[in-house]
Amino acid sequence: DGGITQSPKYLFRKEGQNVTLSCEQNLNHDAMYWYRQDPGQGLRLIYYSQIVNDFQKGDIAEGYSVSREKKESFPLTVTSAQKNPTAFYLCASSSQRETDTQYFGPGTRLTVL
Amino acid sequence: QQPVQSPQAVILREGEDAVINCSSSKALYSVHWYRQKHGEAPVFLMILLKGGEQKGHEKISASFNEKKQQSSLYLTASQLSYSGTYFCGTEPHNTDKLIFGTGTRLQVFP
Repeated sequence: DGGITQSPKYLFRKEGQNVTLSCEQNLNHDAMYWYRQDPGQGLRLIYYSQIVNDFQKGDIAEGYSVSREKKESFPLTVTSAQKNPTAFYLCASSSQRETDTQYFGPGTRLTVL
Repeated sequence: QQPVQSPQAVILREGEDAVINCSSSKALYSVHWYRQKHGEAPVFLMILLKGGEQKGHEKISASFNEKKQQSSLYLTASQLSYSGTYFCGTEPHNTDKLIFGTGTRLQVFP
């Protein structure tokens, strides 16, 4: 089955620790995205990548870092520099050969204690 | 820059209709509609491309007025399964980036 997987579903970390969220897709999509969602809010773009070994900052990139070493994988690191990291994190991917429709993974809920 | 959605919330009885609007201050290439259930990922509903087209899927349809930079989502004869938060994602020109609205929470009761 093709799809996007994110792990883990729930993650707890102590303040001051870096944490890496996983995102993998087997849809052969070129583009991948990371969003943050806060309660009652819309989705805000953190980083996106349109091709391997290249990525661009979104609207709220401060305190986050990404890598895109493989087409299938786009991990997000939440660093200790992120002031308020507790949120629901969603990864998405899209095929630029189609209509750029973004398909989302199940999300990771990060809680920093 | 974030598209404005209206209304912010809608409460319906099963079988009633609803319209959700999405307005942008920028020229748009496309509008994407998603529905998100609580605690789950957004699910893609439909995409409307530049050209003012209208699309439909069963009892859910949408229109895109390119000149007004607006899109509307129409839910007809609502079902309990329609409950959730609806987001529009707007794509200015052909940037491969979506900017999401703050969402419209829709609740359908029996």
